[in-house]
Amino acid sequence: EAGVAQSPRYKIIEKRQSVAFWCNPISGHATLYWYQQILGQGPKLLIQFQNNGVVDDSQLPKDRFSAERLKGVDSTLKIQPAKLEDSAVYLCASSLGTGFHEQYFGPGTRLTVT
Amino acid sequence: AQTVTQSQPEMSVQEAETVTLSCTYDTSESDYYLFWYKQPPSRQMILVIRQEAYKQQNATENRFSVNFQKAAKSFSLKISDSQLGDAAMYFCAYNSGGGADGLTFGKGTHLIIQP
Repeated sequence: EAGVAQSPRYKIIEKRQSVAFWCNPISGHATLYWYQQILGQGPKLLIQFQNNGVVDDSQLPKDRFSAERLKGVDSTLKIQPAKLEDSAVYLCASSLGTGFHEQYFGPGTRLTVT
Repeated sequence: AQTVTQSQPEMSVQEAETVTLSCTYDTSESDYYLFWYKQPPSRQMILVIRQEAYKQQNATENRFSVNFQKAAKSFSLKISDSQLGDAAMYFCAYNSGGGADGLTFGKGTHLIIQP
């Protein structure tokens, strides 16, 4: 079974530029999550999708971050414009359902904003 | 809001010995789920073990077991017969179940295995 795929693996941009990350979840997984992991901290949830609908985006900085899940499968996370404090690893995860279901994580995208 | 606290930034153990990682959490919910995830240097987060709050019996997975104390809001991870491959960051995580079930993570404990 293929795991959660993310691209790119690394990205370096200058502040005020825009960037987009892509995630392909495990086939059949209805729930998709984006997390932000700043160096030395645990991941923080940014947004959760159930199929192509948003379940929770309470911690997403909506003035600069946006996300969508096309046709309930792939998802993109965009930052525009980027700030220095956005430097982090962006993790995508998917699961069959909610609650006790295991969340499967992708390898992450390491973003450096200079 | 729920919070998860891991008070040990780093732990070290000799190969083949036993180590316990601590985790406490704060919630007003009565039913919820707790998890331990492992993150090696490759960054791939891997589920180690999970516990449903309404189950009194502590979860076990081979060399990994938990000590779940609901009243004390404590959820520690015990690793027996430590192996070099266990070296990683370990994160304790919580979710309240239901529809919005994004994980709330602690800051992590860096586990070092001494050969």
